[in-house]
Amino acid sequence: EAGVTQFPSHSVIEKGQTVTLRCDPISGHDNLYWYRRVMGKEIKFLLHFVKESKQDESGMPNNRFLAERTGGTYSTLKVQPAELEDSGVYFCASSQRVGAPSGELFFGEGSRLTVL
Amino acid sequence: AQSVTQLDSHVSVSEGTPVLLRCNYSSSYSPSLFWYVQHPNKGLQLLLKYTSAATLVKGINGFEAEFKKSETSFHLTKPSAHMSDAAEYFCVVRTGNQFYFGTGTSLTVIP
Repeated sequence: EAGVTQFPSHSVIEKGQTVTLRCDPISGHDNLYWYRRVMGKEIKFLLHFVKESKQDESGMPNNRFLAERTGGTYSTLKVQPAELEDSGVYFCASSQRVGAPSGELFFGEGSRLTVL
Repeated sequence: AQSVTQLDSHVSVSEGTPVLLRCNYSSSYSPSLFWYVQHPNKGLQLLLKYTSAATLVKGINGFEAEFKKSETSFHLTKPSAHMSDAAEYFCVVRTGNQFYFGTGTSLTVIP
């Protein structure tokens, strides 16, 4: 079974440009989460999808960030326009379908974003 | 309210000696608890989980953790550290579909 995959693994862009990060969760996982870690600091929650619906987007920093989950499968996180403080590692994670016993998060390897 | 406190930001041990990484949590509900490890430039990997079964949980690579409700703790231990254990470790609490992360403990293993 394929794990959570993220693309790109590393992106270097200039301030003001746009970047789109993609996450493919484990097949059948309804829950999809985005997290961010900046400069080795704590892992911060961004948002949570249940299937194609945004369950909780309270962690999104501002309206420069837009997340979508097409058809309840893969998800994208777009940053437009990017600012210096957006640099960090963006992790995607998925977990079991809604209604299943509590399970763990399965993480991708992260997308490292560097904004110059 | 839910929260996770990892009491040490850095722990350093000699190879072959025991490892103790401390985690305390607060939760309004019966939580599920997890320990994850992150090696440099890698994603987070599950070490072990507690989901209201046995309070002593065994994980991968010789790690184990004990859930102590009275102390609201879920400390991670390993009898003998190996060089490959050098990494960052995260304690995580789940309530419902929400996950709460500790700030991480960086483990250094001295040869």
